[in-house]
Amino acid sequence: IAGITQAPTSQILAAGRRMTLRCTQDMRHNAMYWYRQDLGLGLRLIHYSNTAGTTGKGEVPDGYSVSRANTDDFPLTLASAVPSQTSVYFCASSEGLGRGYTFGSGTRLTVV
Amino acid sequence: LAKTTQPISMDSYEGQEVNITCSHNNIATNDYITWYQQFPSQGPRFIIQGYKTKVTNEVASLFIPADRKSSTLSLPRVSLSDTAVYYCLVGDPLNSGGGADGLTFGKGTHLIIQP
Repeated sequence: IAGITQAPTSQILAAGRRMTLRCTQDMRHNAMYWYRQDLGLGLRLIHYSNTAGTTGKGEVPDGYSVSRANTDDFPLTLASAVPSQTSVYFCASSEGLGRGYTFGSGTRLTVV
Repeated sequence: LAKTTQPISMDSYEGQEVNITCSHNNIATNDYITWYQQFPSQGPRFIIQGYKTKVTNEVASLFIPADRKSSTLSLPRVSLSDTAVYYCLVGDPLNSGGGADGLTFGKGTHLIIQP
């Protein structure tokens, strides 16, 4: 593993199903983030975590939950998927101290 | 809370210098300015970050005036492979709480480089 790994790469999900998007980093970054990207809307922050054990809500948190049990993992869960959650999801991390973010390659999720 | 405004799109030609300006009138004292590049089907990639004056690395320069209410990303001698969306991000990475605007990317600038 080098950087951030997201899984799955893509998924087609039936509406109402539960889904967890996985994100793992090997850089020991304290801060981690989940964004969704939709055509014409840019990247929008869903949830973030400044350090293991803490999480916070971003711009569009409704319908999503996260946990941060350790430094490396930051899973995003859709409890009951809806078609409006069809999007590309990016996980990112930052070591803070004014540094930029490192992004994963994304998960393309289609809810039907 | 800091918001950014960028041109939606720009065109240029190979070998030219390209300057993309971002306005951030409400930038806070602790905010940094960061630029990212994104190609289709990929995650954004960090280009450059600065706090004031000028920062230069191997791919770009970032110019920030004294009032810090705007910044300009300068790409020297662009090539076709520089065609991408460029995002300006203003925020304090050490303070993710208290509002997420500092971590909001916006819609970016779609830069198209022609031969």
